[in-house]
Amino acid sequence: AQSVAQPEDQVNVAEGNPLTVKCTYSVSGNPYLFWYVQYPNRGLQFLLKYITGDNLVKGSYGFEAEFNKSQTSFHLKKPSALVSDSALYFCAVRDPGGGADGLTFGKGTHLIIQP
Amino acid sequence: EAQVTQNPRYLITVTGKKLTVTCSQNMNHEYMSWYRQDPGLGLRQIYYSMNVEVTDKGDVPEGYKVSRKEKRNFPLILESPSPNQTSLYFCASSLSGASGNTIYFGEGSWLTVV
Repeated sequence: AQSVAQPEDQVNVAEGNPLTVKCTYSVSGNPYLFWYVQYPNRGLQFLLKYITGDNLVKGSYGFEAEFNKSQTSFHLKKPSALVSDSALYFCAVRDPGGGADGLTFGKGTHLIIQP
Repeated sequence: EAQVTQNPRYLITVTGKKLTVTCSQNMNHEYMSWYRQDPGLGLRQIYYSMNVEVTDKGDVPEGYKVSRKEKRNFPLILESPSPNQTSLYFCASSLSGASGNTIYFGEGSWLTVV
């Protein structure tokens, strides 16, 4: 069975500093990995995904994520945080052989950017 | 605008009173699904549909029903709601069930069962 772990419930970063939101996964075979963001009272918005190819994936709003197969990680990063980046972030995995099962999500990480 | 639309967005109901949360997508997507979001648990899949008239259970299907009579619509039915179904519900869709396809989510429906 596939699973995702987001080890931090909350991450606090000062505006302008780099940010990292951590994600590790467990899946048989090569994973398909996704990041979503949820702003207050809003739905989930797709940020980026890794399917294959370059381990560094660039997405919306200046975010990027690095796929590391040996560490089974897919950390979300941004070079310079904005207050408007404050939101709830979800990492998710999908088994390449089991698309019908949908996404398996982590529990989410609250990102708080302090002015 | 390409979107997944859910209604109602907010609902308070009483135990045992049947309700339906509608979901519609305008992207001609084959794959649709329902998730519920609970604090500390992330999102969990309730039901999914690979295409019209094809539905299957997700991880937490108990107490829910779905139907897929048309490609664009995928309603979630709670025949006899109970307080443990108080949650934030998301409808989602993607081009197909292929794993690499991005899944797009609606704005969510807050449901409270008292």
